[in-house]
Amino acid sequence: AQSVTQLGSHVSVSEGALVLLRCNYSSSVPPYLFWYVQYPNQGLQLLLKYTSAATLVKGINGFEAEFKKSETSFHLTKPSAHMSDAAEYFCAVSDLGSQGNLIFGKGTKLSVKP
Amino acid sequence: DTGVSQDPRHKITKRGQNVTFRCDPISEHNRLYWYRQTLGQGPEFLTYFQNEAQLEKSRLLSDRFSAERPKGSFSTLEIQRTEQGDSAMYLCASSSGQGVRNGYTFGSGTRLTVV
Repeated sequence: AQSVTQLGSHVSVSEGALVLLRCNYSSSVPPYLFWYVQYPNQGLQLLLKYTSAATLVKGINGFEAEFKKSETSFHLTKPSAHMSDAAEYFCAVSDLGSQGNLIFGKGTKLSVKP
Repeated sequence: DTGVSQDPRHKITKRGQNVTFRCDPISEHNRLYWYRQTLGQGPEFLTYFQNEAQLEKSRLLSDRFSAERPKGSFSTLEIQRTEQGDSAMYLCASSSGQGVRNGYTFGSGTRLTVV
């Protein structure tokens, strides 16, 4: 069965510092991979997606992620954190056994200190 | 196009009562999904419609839960005889025919509190 593991339920960085949020997946074949962001009391907004094209994917708000098959990872990065980046981030993988299912990780809450 | 709309945003109900939530997807999206998110967890898949047909249901969707999408437009999710364990954020999402490949557009959710 597929799964997603996000290392670190809470990450804190200073404004201007590098943001690195980790995601590892388990899948027998290369899946589709996604990062979503959720602000308090809001739904999820798609940041970026990997769909078997370029392994380095650029998304909105300056975020990017790199698909590494050998490490089964899809870590999210941003060179310089902004206060507005404070939110919860979810990594998700497409469920190969389903047409309608995304499997989400438990999320990483990002705090940005001034 | 105003995105995916969910109503109500918040619902407080007494245990044992029935509740119904509504989701209006993006008008040109033929696929609609319901997810549930509990505190400290990622969203969990509940069910999926393509047009008016309900094509998949998760084992999380007990017989107290029912979802409909009449005419392939808006959808409703009903929970009968609510229990405290039903307290969660219920998220609706929609997508075009490419389905999961394009990712989904989520609504803001309905937060249910069962007291």
